[in-house]
Amino acid sequence: LAKTTQPISMDSYEGQEVNITCSHNNIATNDYITWYQQFPSQGPRFIIQGYKTKVTNEVASLFIPADRKSSTLSLPRVSLSDTAVYYCLVGEDYGQNFVFGPGTRLSVLP
Amino acid sequence: KAGVTQTPRYLIKTRGQQVTLSCSPISGHRSVSWYQQTPGQGLQFLFEYFSETQRNKGNFPGRFSGRQFSNSRSEMNVSTLELGDSALYLCASSQDPRNTEAFFGQGTRLTVV
Repeated sequence: LAKTTQPISMDSYEGQEVNITCSHNNIATNDYITWYQQFPSQGPRFIIQGYKTKVTNEVASLFIPADRKSSTLSLPRVSLSDTAVYYCLVGEDYGQNFVFGPGTRLSVLP
Repeated sequence: KAGVTQTPRYLIKTRGQQVTLSCSPISGHRSVSWYQQTPGQGLQFLFEYFSETQRNKGNFPGRFSGRQFSNSRSEMNVSTLELGDSALYLCASSQDPRNTEAFFGQGTRLTVV
């Protein structure tokens, strides 16, 4: 399983776009990139998953450059309720033995 | 559609006791995994089950065990509890093992005193 590196924390203000970058230099050919969000005392929640280029859903976008050694989660116009820990996971689409790093603690300020 | 249900939500046990936690996956989901979350170690993978078979196991001592039933419900057991086992135990389910979009339950908060 590829090791990931993310910023430990980030601050933003309401209404801004937030970009969280994850480095995964040893990503393998079959690996997917998945992002989860976790609020205190709750289980993580799936946000988005991608393999290459750009993926967009109703809550976020995921940008993956051609070399796939990094990825960026983009949250448009964040609100206070987006304050949470965001985890980047990299692994083959083969199972749920996820390796969670420390994640990025995003604080959205009014 | 009901989400992943974990019971009980909170539990207090004494050191040396054993405990059983339960997880009911989303209807139709056959893959269940368990995680332990502590402030110091973060989220750590315990084990994964599919069709009543353990497919993967994390780096935890043998005191931690689990099983999955034919209806996909899963239980995990921790024997000879230690203070360090105090944690939030999370269960996740997905339709099959190859789907990495997992749905997590609210967790069981275990406190060992």
